[in-house]
Amino acid sequence: AQTVTQSQPEMSVQEAETVTLSCTYDTSENNYYLFWYKQPPSRQMILVIRQEAYKQQNATENRFSVNFQKAAKSFSLKISDSQLGDTAMYFCAFMKFGSNYQLIWGAGTKLIIKP
Amino acid sequence: DAMVIQNPRYQVTQFGKPVTLSCSQTLNHNVMYWYQQKSSQAPKLLFHYYDKDFNNEADTPDNFQSRRPNTSFCFLDIRSPGLGDAAMYLCATSRDRLAGTPLREAFFGQGTRLTVV
Repeated sequence: AQTVTQSQPEMSVQEAETVTLSCTYDTSENNYYLFWYKQPPSRQMILVIRQEAYKQQNATENRFSVNFQKAAKSFSLKISDSQLGDTAMYFCAFMKFGSNYQLIWGAGTKLIIKP
Repeated sequence: DAMVIQNPRYQVTQFGKPVTLSCSQTLNHNVMYWYQQKSSQAPKLLFHYYDKDFNNEADTPDNFQSRRPNTSFCFLDIRSPGLGDAAMYLCATSRDRLAGTPLREAFFGQGTRLTVV
């Protein structure tokens, strides 16, 4: 069975700083997807970034980038030039190819950006 | 804009009184999910539809049922809500990679916060 671990329940940084959220996972699969989702307070869950395991290049989306280490089963999210609007719960999630489309979720990291 | 819409945003129901939550989507996605999310926890998958095929998670209580009358709509029925069923209920959709296009991420609605009194 797959598991996803986010070891940081809560993090807090100053606006404009860079912050890295960690995620590790356990799987025997070779082909899978990894996601970071953001859930602001009282607002909907939205996708931040996606990584296909067969791609060696790390995914980037504007200020958001990942460090995907397949051998180490690590998938960290880096947020550069953090903004107040980045305050949210961040969930790391795993989905294997050919699954029944079930996302395996980490417990989440609460990120607070301070002015 | 194409999106996933959940109604109502907030629902208060009495202990034991059946309640239905609704979800609609304009994305034409063939997979729809219902999740339960309790405060500051990860979402917990209750069930999902792959087209018309219903897939129930093994640990989803019998108290929870779902209907999908067409591609666009999906309903969550809670037959006899208990205090422990108070939570945020999230509907999500995604598109099947077997259709020849990459699997897209799940798109979520804003959720329905259920309170049981």
